[in-house]
Formats: sequence, structure tokens, C-alpha cells
Amino acid sequence: AQKVTQAQTEISVVEKEDVTLDCVYETRDTTYYLFWYKQPPSGELVFLIRRNSFDEQNEISGRYSWNFQKSTSSFNFTITASQVVDSAVYFCALSEGSGTSGTYKYIFGTGTRLKVLA
Amino acid sequence: DSGVTQTPKHLITATGQRVTLRCSPRSGDLSVYWYQQSLDQGLQFLIQYYNGEERAKGNILERFSAQQFPDLHSELNLSSLELGDSALYFCASSGPGLAGTDTQYFGPGTRLTVL
Repeated sequence: AQKVTQAQTEISVVEKEDVTLDCVYETRDTTYYLFWYKQPPSGELVFLIRRNSFDEQNEISGRYSWNFQKSTSSFNFTITASQVVDSAVYFCALSEGSGTSGTYKYIFGTGTRLKVLA
Repeated sequence: DSGVTQTPKHLITATGQRVTLRCSPRSGDLSVYWYQQSLDQGLQFLIQYYNGEERAKGNILERFSAQQFPDLHSELNLSSLELGDSALYFCASSGPGLAGTDTQYFGPGTRLTVL
């Protein structure tokens, strides 16, 4: 069965520290997509990244980086030099389905609350 | 501002009632997604439409239904409401690419309170 596990319920760091949010997924599909979303205290959801199962290259976007490892079924997210504005709940999600029919399902992890202290 | 609009922002109703939530996607986006976020269930994907057709289905209850109209706006209908349906309902849209693979842009959400 499909599953996304974010074992870290809450993390607190001091500003400028690096922090890694873990995401482990389970799927039997060979074609799937992984996502990270951010939900700041204001409540809106912000899409951060999408990665397909055939692309294991790590990605860096400014202070954000993602490490995708199929061997360990993990898609971890690192924030370098964290800032107070990074305080939010971060969700990892898995999308799997039929590429032929174009139908997909989305499964979300329970989220990790990141608190960055000044 | 993501460009996705949702109305109403807040909705308070009673058990057993029916409500309709509305979503207008970003200009040019063909996919609309609905999500439910509640305290006990977390964030759950409900359903996705692509250019008017249902494309993916998640944990959507039979009391809930959705549709996407020719102008691409979407409505989520919730009927026979129960206390447990109280949640934040998000709509998202994505571009003309293959449904499920594009960047999703989220609306501000509709907070539903069932009393």
C-alpha cells in the first residue's frame, strides 16, 4: 500500500542552523512523483518541488535542497541557514498512478512542524 | 497570490445541510484538485479534474461530489454534513501538462464549520 512517513512531528532550530526534514515513502509503482509543500502559519499551501521517480538527481533552489534516494525510498528536504520565515509545516507527498490513463492518486505525510527561533 | 480563487472564505452550517464550495483556477490551467485538511485526518487529496473530466480520486466520501465546468471553474458539493466534515478545503490548479505532474498552485482555502 502507498504510504508517506514523516517521522519528525516537530523540529526546532535556531536561526542560521541547517535542518533536514525526512520523508520516507512506500509504493509498488515504478512511476511515481514526490512533492514537498509548505504551509506557513497564515495557512496557505505553497508548492515547493516535484520530482519524478526516474530522476534521482538532487536539486538545489537557493537555500533549499532535496535528496532523492530510491534505494532507501527517501526524499529528504534540507534548508540551509534557516530563517524565521521558514517556520511552517512541511508536507511530503507521493503521487502514483497510471501514466497511460493519466490518473494519479496523492498521499500526504502527516507533516513536520519546523520552528526557527531567532 | 497564487491566482487561484476560492469562495466562500468561511462557511458555517448545521449538520445535515448541503454546501457548495467554488474554485476558479489560474488562467490557462486545466487541472483542478480538491483537498481536505482537518485536525484528525491531516491533509487528504479528494479529487482531481482535468479539462472537465475526473482524472483522479482520493478519499472522497460518497456524500461529496465535484465537477468542473466548461469554463474550468470547479465546485465541490458536500451533503448530509456531519461534525467531522469541519475542515479547511483547498483547491489547487495546475497547467496544461499531463494531469498530476505539473506544479500545483493553491487557493486560500474555504474553512467549513459544521455545528
